[in-house]
Amino acid sequence: QQQVKQSPQSLIVQKGGISIINCAYENTAFDYFPWYQQFPGKGPALLIAIRPDVSEKKEGRFTISFNKSAKQFSLHIMDSQPGDSATYFCAATGGYQKVTFGIGTKLQVIP
Amino acid sequence: DSGVTQTPKHLITATGQRVTLRCSPRSGDLSVYWYQQSLDQGLQFLIQYYNGEERAKGNILERFSAQQFPDLHSELNLSSLELGDSALYFCASSDASGQNSYGYTFGSGTRLTVV
Repeated sequence: QQQVKQSPQSLIVQKGGISIINCAYENTAFDYFPWYQQFPGKGPALLIAIRPDVSEKKEGRFTISFNKSAKQFSLHIMDSQPGDSATYFCAATGGYQKVTFGIGTKLQVIP
Repeated sequence: DSGVTQTPKHLITATGQRVTLRCSPRSGDLSVYWYQQSLDQGLQFLIQYYNGEERAKGNILERFSAQQFPDLHSELNLSSLELGDSALYFCASSDASGQNSYGYTFGSGTRLTVV
């Protein structure tokens, strides 16, 4: 049972454009929603995270938007750069629920 | 360097064999988590250890086992290997006792190829 659904699985964006990755969850016990960034040959690294008491969190060019009623959250990468090319995983955890990862989105930013 | 050390980085072995993957957690972290990553399955949670004790199990096959030693390093043992076991195996650590860690630190992984 996939508790966190992530889309799209692959994404190609022009340099300078906005990359948007969407996730939806089912379990209302989740209370922490991190995003991980993984470069080829490396392990995933925590990028940014949000709790459901806020609707948006911004760190530099990376923004998480959170819609609690719809049980959806998304990652926006503004002014996307070739160096942002990586696989991005959304995740959810909370209470006694294990950390559940989305299937991942492979982002390619082309010059 | 994330602080989580995994060895070896690459491993090629034949079907039916047994291998051991090793993980040293970040200093101060008591929890170790093992994940399997394959192309079409994303990150699949295998097992968690906290301070030497098994804390949670995920989709871990009976042919696989793990343990965490007093110095907190962990080993994942994979036996009777099949072609389908070829994947990246990641170890992550955190300072949390439960599954709901609010931040994992991942190692760089071990790429296992079964031929």
